[in-house]
Amino acid sequence: AQTVTQSQPEMSVQEAETVTLSCTYDTSESDYYLFWYKQPPSRQMILVIRQEAYKQQNATENRFSVNFQKAAKSFSLKISDSQLGDAAMYFCAYRSNFGNEKLTFGTGTRLTIIP
Amino acid sequence: DGGITQSPKYLFRKEGQNVTLSCEQNLNHDAMYWYRQDPGQGLRLIYYSQIVNDFQKGDIAEGYSVSREKKESFPLTVTSAQKNPTAFYLCASRETGIHNQPQHFGDGTRLSIL
Repeated sequence: AQTVTQSQPEMSVQEAETVTLSCTYDTSESDYYLFWYKQPPSRQMILVIRQEAYKQQNATENRFSVNFQKAAKSFSLKISDSQLGDAAMYFCAYRSNFGNEKLTFGTGTRLTIIP
Repeated sequence: DGGITQSPKYLFRKEGQNVTLSCEQNLNHDAMYWYRQDPGQGLRLIYYSQIVNDFQKGDIAEGYSVSREKKESFPLTVTSAQKNPTAFYLCASRETGIHNQPQHFGDGTRLSIL
């Protein structure tokens, strides 16, 4: 079974600075997807960024980018120019391309933005 | 606007009572999912359905039941057999015809015990 580990329960960053959130995963599969979801206090789950395992190029969405290291099974999220609206819980998630294609989540990292 | 609607936002259950959480989507997605979120934990899969009239158990299905009679609806019943139902419940859906599509989530239902 796949597992996802987020080793940083809490992180904080000064507004306008850069922060990196860590995620590692364990799988024996070669074809899968990785996601970062953001959950603000409203509790809505919002997709931040996705990465397809067969693509070597790291995904980027505006201020959000990932560092995908397939051999190391690492998938970190970098947030540049942090803004107050970035404050939230961030979840890393894994999805296989086989079977039910469910999402397996990490336990989350709470990000605080310091004005 | 297309999206996923969960109702009610807050729900209270008495001991020994069954309650049903509603999930409706107008995204024309084939697959739908129910997740449970507890404090300090990520989301865990309860049940999922990839097509109408078919559904499978997820990782924590005991004490829950679902139905999928219509493509747009996937209600979750929390039965009296679920001894610790207090949690935040999230419904999600996904278009399965396109491989890289992510799951989209509703706004959730918070269930508490009276």
